[in-house]
Amino acid sequence: NAGVTQTPKFQVLKTGQSMTLQCAQDMNHNSMYWYRQDPGMGLRLIYYSASEGTTDKGEVPNGYNVSRLNKREFSLRLESAAPSQTSVYFCASSKGGGMRQPQHFGDGTRLSIL
Amino acid sequence: KQEVTQIPAALSVPEGENLVLNCSFTDSAIYNLQWFRQDPGKGLTSLLLIQSSQREQTSGRLNASLDKSSGRSTLYIAASQPGDSATYLCAVRRSLAGSGNTGKLIFGQGTTLQVKP
Repeated sequence: NAGVTQTPKFQVLKTGQSMTLQCAQDMNHNSMYWYRQDPGMGLRLIYYSASEGTTDKGEVPNGYNVSRLNKREFSLRLESAAPSQTSVYFCASSKGGGMRQPQHFGDGTRLSIL
Repeated sequence: KQEVTQIPAALSVPEGENLVLNCSFTDSAIYNLQWFRQDPGKGLTSLLLIQSSQREQTSGRLNASLDKSSGRSTLYIAASQPGDSATYLCAVRRSLAGSGNTGKLIFGQGTTLQVKP
């Protein structure tokens, strides 16, 4: 079972470049999430999509945009990358609106902004 | 504001030992609590999910308990093995009454466990 698949796994960007991180899940989950993980800060929610067609901001949305392309796919876009966005990005999904269901995570995208 | 703390940050034990990892949270109005395992360079693997109405959950050698009133959860690992070496994260989900974000997880910073052969 593939579960949650993220692409690319690694990426290096220059300041000001744009990039889209891709996420797809094959578990027929309704809800999807984007987190970033930083040393000393733990995981923080960037954006989430409770269901197809809806998106909402998390704790740290500034500098990012998202698109819930269909039920399977949820992408994260950096329009003008900044060094502060160097991080490991995780996509997750859960079966329902999220309250009672566990979240399942992908393996992450390691992003460096120079 | 909900804060989640995990102590200790790192733990090293000999193989075969039983051990307890701790997680505390400041706001008892949680919906549930989830324990994850993270291997180096990998994503998070869900281990156990405890609903706020439950006291504990078990899976194999793992047992997680939840005491909402005191704001604490523990993850008990029996007969530890070198393959248990990883970072263990706990995360709480805020209740509907206390938050407009229905699916938001708030994470602790993890305990890195090393089990020595």
